[in-house]
Amino acid sequence: SYVLTQPPSVSVAPGKTARITCGGNNIGSKSVHWYQQKPGQAPVLVIYYDSDRPSGIPERFSGSNSGNTATLTISRVEAGDEADYYCQVWDSSSDRGVFGGGTKLTVL
Amino acid sequence: QVQLVQSGAEVKKPGASVKVSCKASGYTFTNYAMHWVRQAPGQRLEWMGWINAGNGNTKSSQNFQGRVTITRDTSASTAYMELSSLTSEDTAVYYCAREEGSPYYFDYWGQGALVTVSS
Repeated sequence: SYVLTQPPSVSVAPGKTARITCGGNNIGSKSVHWYQQKPGQAPVLVIYYDSDRPSGIPERFSGSNSGNTATLTISRVEAGDEADYYCQVWDSSSDRGVFGGGTKLTVL
Repeated sequence: QVQLVQSGAEVKKPGASVKVSCKASGYTFTNYAMHWVRQAPGQRLEWMGWINAGNGNTKSSQNFQGRVTITRDTSASTAYMELSSLTSEDTAVYYCAREEGSPYYFDYWGQGALVTVSS
């Protein structure tokens, strides 16, 4: 089965840029989606199809995907961005959804 | 606006079953598939299965070894997820999520339903 690997934690100072990676075998050939989850809340979609933003998501959120790594980039990080972030793909070979292990973003 | 409203928290004994509901509003229920995702305490999101709300076709993750049953009531715009033979490892928050796109992603989520399995 397809496996997505994320770093458990990323720390960044306010105003700086955070980069959260999601590794998978030839993940560049798949569409990657990203979700933000704050404590006690449901996940919220922040990036879909590698780099598209849903309406209402700030332009500070962007994504890229190539080779074996997809990346969620958050520019000019704010305290309110502190959350867990999950990447997700659809594994067409097994016809099921796959999530990464999640990355806790801490704003210092 | 799209809303997915789930049923409330449940406490179940080991070996029992639980059925969680997800009532959709703000869109045509039968035009979108609904997925179920769970999250055990401190754990990652885990995909459980999905239902085509239009024709009722379903698929569940093999990780649950046939314990998951997903159904829908189109007249009530509601999807259901039933999990049987519960153990303490099934203690989790269970989410419904609307499918969008192809390949699929989840654009709207329910608020979650906490299921606690305890003797």
